[in-house]
Amino acid sequence: DAKTTQPPSMDCAEGRAANLPCNHSTISGNEYVYWYRQIHSQGPQYIIHGLKNNETNEMASLIITEDRKSSTLILPHATLRDTAVYYCIVRVREASGTYKYIFGTGTRLKVLA
Amino acid sequence: EAQVTQNPRYLITVTGKKLTVTCSQNMNHEYMSWYRQDPGLGLRQIYYSMNVEVTDKGDVPEGYKVSRKEKRNFPLILESPSPNQTSLYFCASSLWLAGGVDTQYFGPGTRLTVL
Repeated sequence: DAKTTQPPSMDCAEGRAANLPCNHSTISGNEYVYWYRQIHSQGPQYIIHGLKNNETNEMASLIITEDRKSSTLILPHATLRDTAVYYCIVRVREASGTYKYIFGTGTRLKVLA
Repeated sequence: EAQVTQNPRYLITVTGKKLTVTCSQNMNHEYMSWYRQDPGLGLRQIYYSMNVEVTDKGDVPEGYKVSRKEKRNFPLILESPSPNQTSLYFCASSLWLAGGVDTQYFGPGTRLTVL
């Protein structure tokens, strides 16, 4: 199964861009990368997803390397409310046609005032 | 309001006493899933269901059962709980878009302690 590797923690100054890396070197060609975040012990919240191309939405940008072995989530102007644990996830297609989700251990981002 | 609800939110029980954690969603989602979260291990998928009467094992299914008799409900059953099942549990749901993408909506979590 594809697995993801993330740094355990990062700090970022308020107003600056936060760049969160993820390594998924065993990802297969049709497996999507998702990013979610979790504030305290609440349920994780969706941020963004991608397959091959870079993606941007109102929350963040996702940069996927050409070989798809790694990606970076970018929060362009981090605020204190972005302090959370960020999870990089690979959605794996099983032989039966079902999908399961492989979460990384997450990066704890602390935004500093 | 579109949401995933879980009950109970907190539960303290003893080893061997059967329990059920309920999960319900009001978004007509086909895909539902259970995760457990333990310190340092992130979230791990226990079971998932693509639709009614269709369930599959995730990465850590041992000691758990699920059923999907109705589209909106996906209960998690611990027939004989043990202390190593003490954890924070999340239920999630999403639309099933074959070959496409989906966004999982997570419930608020159930904190289970097995003594």
